[in-house]
Amino acid sequence: DIVLTQSPGTLSLSPGERATLSCRASQSVSRTYLAWYQQKPGQAPRLLIYGASSRATGIPDRFSGSGSGTDFTLTISRLEPEDFAVYYCQQYGNSPPLAFGPGTIVDIK
Amino acid sequence: QVQLQESGPGLVKPSETLSVTCTVSGGSVSSRSYYWSWIRQPPGKGLEWIGYMYYSGSTNYNPSLKSRVTISLDTSKNQFSLKLSSVTAADTAVYYCAGGTYYYASVWGQGTLVTVSS
Repeated sequence: DIVLTQSPGTLSLSPGERATLSCRASQSVSRTYLAWYQQKPGQAPRLLIYGASSRATGIPDRFSGSGSGTDFTLTISRLEPEDFAVYYCQQYGNSPPLAFGPGTIVDIK
Repeated sequence: QVQLQESGPGLVKPSETLSVTCTVSGGSVSSRSYYWSWIRQPPGKGLEWIGYMYYSGSTNYNPSLKSRVTISLDTSKNQFSLKLSSVTAADTAVYYCAGGTYYYASVWGQGTLVTVSS
């Protein structure tokens, strides 16, 4: 089974700063099968990035994804107040077919 | 624009079967464009994928839940449903329905909290 690890667990930053979130897989993951989601308190997750680097419909270009193999990164170039949330990476593989990382909390410093 | 809305009992007794339904609007559960998923989130914890079903009837379940899970489509009502049997307190969670490809979920319902308690 592929296990996803996200770091840091919590990222404390100020509006306007750059956020860099890491997602590491225990085995190589195809770029096609790596996605990122944002979840705000009391809300459902929202798809941000699919295929490691493609932005979903309506996602601002301050969000970008990169990486390959076992190391993937979500970058928020300049944090807006609405970006403070929990971010999950997710991979498609064999067992289970879909699995999420534990999440990174981005909170206000 | 596909929209999803979950409905469920809110409270289920231990050992009973949890049933949650997702109503699809702005699209069809018979669409070839979507795999219909269930994902859950225990209070204060992360996301767990439960399984999905395709319009053809094919399913794929999380091995950790497979023995207790059934996902089905009702094309006449444009809905899909989750049944989880023999529930315990560990199954208490917000249950989300979602639609997307087989490798990511692009549209989500708002979620419904199901508590397992006597």
